[in-house]
Amino acid sequence: GAVVSQHPSRVICKSGTSVKIECRSLDFQATTMFWYRQFPKQSLMLMATSNEGSKATYEQGVEKDKFLINHASLTLSTLTVTSAHPEDSSFYICSAPAGAPSPTDTQYFGPGTRLTVL
Amino acid sequence: AQSVAQPEDQVNVAEGNPLTVKCTYSVSGNPYLFWYVQYPNRGLQFLLKYITGDNLVKGSYGFEAEFNKSQTSFHLKKPSALVSDSALYFCAVRDVSRESGYSTLTFGKGTMLLVSP
Repeated sequence: GAVVSQHPSRVICKSGTSVKIECRSLDFQATTMFWYRQFPKQSLMLMATSNEGSKATYEQGVEKDKFLINHASLTLSTLTVTSAHPEDSSFYICSAPAGAPSPTDTQYFGPGTRLTVL
Repeated sequence: AQSVAQPEDQVNVAEGNPLTVKCTYSVSGNPYLFWYVQYPNRGLQFLLKYITGDNLVKGSYGFEAEFNKSQTSFHLKKPSALVSDSALYFCAVRDVSRESGYSTLTFGKGTMLLVSP
């Protein structure tokens, strides 16, 4: 199946710094990617939709200035957590659908990035 | 709004025994249902999906799921559990189409499956 990678897998940073997380589709092109956030022992919550060549769309309650998304190419989307604070500590997961949009398209998920803000 | 419910936080089963992880759904229109598995500190791996057709869907690693329209359920099953099946399992339903045309997923809260030797 399609493969999605994320980098880094784990990052620890100081409060107030910014952290960039990369999401890559390795063997297919993705005009759209999705970013999810998962708190411990909780489900995944969709944060935003990353669109190649246009602005990202954010879910209600997600601060677009806090979580900057750039879809630089058909295989790369980045999520930058700006001025990170301890409450931003979480597991961030990206996903990408392979193929053309359809009611039956399947999301392929990256391995996730564990962010810890001290 | 689309939603799925996983009523069990944890399911315990002995190796070799059959397992069931429950999921019920609430959707408007046709349900497109998915099961994913997550190992510790890993992303989600796709197991199977129901779109249409046979109510019994076969997926990866010997898992299968039964779609029951009258009970609005999509329970995950495996005839004989392995210790290596121990993981967090998520049921999901396709959400409405977004501007991109692609669907996103609404996940249940997850069920931890623990298979004992």
